[in-house]
Amino acid sequence: GQQVMQIPQYQHVQEGEDFTTYCNSSTTLSNIQWYKQRPGGHPVFLIQLVKSGEVKKQKRLTFQFGEAKKNSSLHITATQTTDVGTYFCNAGGTSYGKLTFGQGTILTVHP
Amino acid sequence: NAGVMQNPRHLVRRRGQEARLRCSPMKGHSHVYWYRQLPEEGLKFMVYLQKENIIDESGMPKERFSAEFPKEGPSILRIQQVVRGDSAAYFCASSTRNTEAFFGQGTRLTVV
Repeated sequence: GQQVMQIPQYQHVQEGEDFTTYCNSSTTLSNIQWYKQRPGGHPVFLIQLVKSGEVKKQKRLTFQFGEAKKNSSLHITATQTTDVGTYFCNAGGTSYGKLTFGQGTILTVHP
Repeated sequence: NAGVMQNPRHLVRRRGQEARLRCSPMKGHSHVYWYRQLPEEGLKFMVYLQKENIIDESGMPKERFSAEFPKEGPSILRIQQVVRGDSAAYFCASSTRNTEAFFGQGTRLTVV
């Protein structure tokens, strides 16, 4: 499976501030998936990016796939307390067999 | 279509006992993955299975841990002679080929 590095590991923001987490790979990725895990919960699929330079939006969340398909980002505009949780990226998808996740970014939003 | 079902949700075992964690994938899903997670840490890959086959077990400890996904019935993650360090949340995920994974709610294992 593909290996990805995810940064930052932790992020504390004030409610209303923006937040970005990044996934970086040394190899070209077939696709990348993003998941969110609420505290005490289980990971939930958010989105999959496949095309070079692809940008997708879900309300206040913007997902990007780099032109070289080696990196991706998740940006949240004007964070809310409901955004609290851990955001994981997964590189390659099931076509590579093993689902390998980045170590995740733990987001804390202070009201 | 029920989601991925894991049971039990919470499991307490004494040191030296066996722990059996079950995972029923979503209907139609033939790929099953097991992950281990410690508090405030990431998802550590353990094993990837398809029906009756172990595809990748590179994340499984060499001893005491085993997994299976039989032709009929749920996938089982088995931990023999548990130790305190085995305490963690164990998540199962399932998928079809080239689709996103759906996770169960996890089994929280506590070894006392």
